Amino acid sequence: EVQLLESGGGLVQPGGSLRISCEASGFIFTSYAMSWVRQAPGKGLQWVSGISGSGGRTYYADSVMGRFTVSRDNAKNTLFLQMDSLRGEDTAVYYCAKDLAYCGSECEPEFFDNWGQGTLVTVSS
Amino acid sequence: EIVLTQSPGTLSLSPGQRATLSCRASQSVTRRYLAWYQHKPGQAPRLLVYGASTRATGIPDRFSGSGSGTDFTLTITRLEPEDFAVYYCQQSDSRTFGQGTKVEIK
Repeated sequence: EVQLLESGGGLVQPGGSLRISCEASGFIFTSYAMSWVRQAPGKGLQWVSGISGSGGRTYYADSVMGRFTVSRDNAKNTLFLQMDSLRGEDTAVYYCAKDLAYCGSECEPEFFDNWGQGTLVTVSS
Repeated sequence: EIVLTQSPGTLSLSPGQRATLSCRASQSVTRRYLAWYQHKPGQAPRLLVYGASTRATGIPDRFSGSGSGTDFTLTITRLEPEDFAVYYCQQSDSRTFGQGTKVEIK
């Protein structure tokens, strides 16, 4: 059974930094692209960032480019999102999501067939 | 960037009724790049359909996807109590989501 467990959310001041994590189990982690998707309060889903299975290719939404960095530790089956220069509009529940396609190490994210329960990031003074 | 516009914003229906949800793209989308998700409050989103019409594993056949080009549809033939939720379309080119359609109990 696929399991994705996010952690590391919390309250951070504007301009601050936070790193959230997602521990994965139940599938061959290196064979799937992974993504972060967020939902701000009262808003819809927004894809934030993704990474290929090997970690060699990363992808970002325009709204976080240059501020967020996605990475993965395939030895520990863990996905990370380093968030810097945080803004109020980054306040959201952040979900870790596994890609649908099993396609080796260099596929880019497309569709998301398994999701974690989310971790809340609040940016406020 | 392709923008997805979903309609209606809210759909008020009774259990047993048919739900028809629309997703319109700002430019043509290849069928294989379109998916639908269900999201309930406090839960993880669930993939329903990908490739515009292929049901994901374990999804009941009352859910069906169709469409091509710029117009796509998710149909729920007979609403069950557990189907009341928010539904999103998503295209995989830039991984953008539509703004969602809420299906609520009438």
